[in-house]
Amino acid sequence: DTGVSQDPRHKITKRGQNVTFRCDPISEHNRLYWYRQTLGQGPEFLTYFQNEAQLEKSRLLSDRFSAERPKGSFSTLEIQRTEQGDSAMYLCASSLGNTGELFFGEGSRLTVL
Amino acid sequence: GQQVMQIPQYQHVQEGEDFTTYCNSSTTLSNIQWYKQRPGGHPVFLIQLVKSGEVKKQKRLTFQFGEAKKNSSLHITATQTTDVGTYFCAVKNSGYALNFGKGTSLLVTP
Repeated sequence: DTGVSQDPRHKITKRGQNVTFRCDPISEHNRLYWYRQTLGQGPEFLTYFQNEAQLEKSRLLSDRFSAERPKGSFSTLEIQRTEQGDSAMYLCASSLGNTGELFFGEGSRLTVL
Repeated sequence: GQQVMQIPQYQHVQEGEDFTTYCNSSTTLSNIQWYKQRPGGHPVFLIQLVKSGEVKKQKRLTFQFGEAKKNSSLHITATQTTDVGTYFCAVKNSGYALNFGKGTSLLVTP
């Protein structure tokens, strides 16, 4: 499978715990995006990487959220001290250069109890 | 960032009927993308429009970009049950982010 892969697909955690999601983009794609989507809403932009550099973060992104892309390949999104409001689908997408088209992974669904 | 409004929020049609969703912006857009998300699935890219007044077709789907580049539409002719899903328009902000509308959910009844 040469698409965007995300792990885990589902995560259930208790409030206050930390969680980490991993995204493996399409291998030649240098651009990587994280989005959050809740029921009935469109994907909400969280952050953007070009190679290993994090070039944009949403102003809505709490300081409990941190993302990395250490070698310009896979990326991780960590949420510290989770809250019930963090329950959502976390989507990763990648693209190549300026083609514009985003390729999304299947997402990681987070449920915070 | 750029905000876009999509209407309608929901549409329920009988199979064979046409469907149109609209995406509107208060500012001029450089380009606009459309995505489809099936129930339980992830967004899948459909098309990108760049030029003023551009019209593109993909089988039964027709995409238009307004002359002023402030609105766009997606029209489906003779809907089929396979068209079920949520259709999103998406536009770039002043930086790198692609901002999505809230989407139009289409339900097609056989």
